[in-house]
Amino acid sequence: GENVEQHPSTLSVQEGDSAVIKCTYSDSASNYFPWYKQELGKRPQLIIDIRSNVGEKKDQRIAVTLNKTAKHFSLHITETQPEDSAVYFCAAHRGYQKVTFGIGTKLQVIP
Amino acid sequence: EPEVTQTPSHQVTQMGQEVILRCVPISNHLYFYWYRQILGQKVEFLVSFYNNEISEKSEIFDDQFSVERPDGSNFTLKIRSTKLEDSAMYFCASSGPGSDTEAFFGQGTRLTVV
Repeated sequence: GENVEQHPSTLSVQEGDSAVIKCTYSDSASNYFPWYKQELGKRPQLIIDIRSNVGEKKDQRIAVTLNKTAKHFSLHITETQPEDSAVYFCAAHRGYQKVTFGIGTKLQVIP
Repeated sequence: EPEVTQTPSHQVTQMGQEVILRCVPISNHLYFYWYRQILGQKVEFLVSFYNNEISEKSEIFDDQFSVERPDGSNFTLKIRSTKLEDSAMYFCASSGPGSDTEAFFGQGTRLTVV
């Protein structure tokens, strides 16, 4: 089955700096890679996703990259703000099959 | 915007009791899931359901768990005899027809077993 590794587990950055979270996956059949932001006690909220036929996607301050050959994908947040503080999960799946989550990265943005 | 809804938001139960967690998926979705998140840990897959049957289940989903879609709109998770280690946030999710689609998560039910 799919296995998703995520690092770092915690990340502290100064407000305005960039944050990068990296993930790897094991199943080459996975073709959809969502990123979720989870605030304490709340549901995982999709913030951006990328499909296997795309190498990079950007949405304002958030970007994701995907290297299919290496089975790596990354989340980049630029100009971080205190409200970006949360736990971020990468995930991978194929079609309607189960979502496999990474372990999560606790991001703290220091004002 | 359509969303997945779950009830109750918080359930406290005594060890050994049965609980039923309820979910209303998005109406045109065909694939339904339950996930579990123990406090401070990652979200773990429990079971997926399609065409009125279980399509996949994890090793966590043992004989004490069952799922049902009793009436075409609700999707329930039953835990027959709860244990302390079942305390977690349980998320229901659904996804639409076709492949490569986003899974929409409900707001979760916090289950506390005492």
